[in-house]
Amino acid sequence: GAGVSQSPSNKVTEKGKDVELRCDPISGHTALYWYRQRLGQGLEFLIYFQGNSAPDKSGLPSDRFSAERTGESVSTLTIQRTQQEDSAVYLCASSLGGDPMGNEQFFGPGTRLTVL
Amino acid sequence: AQKITQTQPGMFVQEKEAVTLDCTYDTSDPSYGLFWYKQPSSGEMIFLIYQGSYDQQNATEGRYSLNFQKARKSANLVISASQLGDSAMYFCAMREGPDDMRFGAGTRLTVKP
Repeated sequence: GAGVSQSPSNKVTEKGKDVELRCDPISGHTALYWYRQRLGQGLEFLIYFQGNSAPDKSGLPSDRFSAERTGESVSTLTIQRTQQEDSAVYLCASSLGGDPMGNEQFFGPGTRLTVL
Repeated sequence: AQKITQTQPGMFVQEKEAVTLDCTYDTSDPSYGLFWYKQPSSGEMIFLIYQGSYDQQNATEGRYSLNFQKARKSANLVISASQLGDSAMYFCAMREGPDDMRFGAGTRLTVKP
């Protein structure tokens, strides 16, 4: 595939359950980002991976959120004990490494999470 | 503190006219990048244009241009000859470092026929 893919596209879960969201970046892109977008709002930065470096997790809203990435491939965002305020679209983006300033991010279609 | 401010929650423009979407930013880092993205109702994020803090000239990409005023810390997006398909949310974003990408709240642009 040519673009960033995310799965599932939609996820409905019950409060208290754990969910796992997946992101497949563009091949060759060393940088990977996760964002949260609540309805009608802008993007909230969550976490960033660059190559094999330790990620900056300071954007994660609580310790219920965690993310992993193996090498420069797939990433998973896990939300434990989901709450209704976690309901949002979770967007993943990837970009080339090297000069981080100018490399635009390519976004996936997002996962719409609804917590009942 | 808000790093990216988009003061126009909604804007209307007549088809074929030009429109300016405002964006101001706050940083003390001399090296940063400014981006504009478009988000249609389908939800996808589409990269439009990039301006580096050291770039001497304003960035242009087709009908999009970025009015970069460094001293005023503004990076307004200008869309010329608006088309109906330009109706979407527009987000301004700033990157100060590789792990610090911040987005504004967005402006909803509606192009009227």
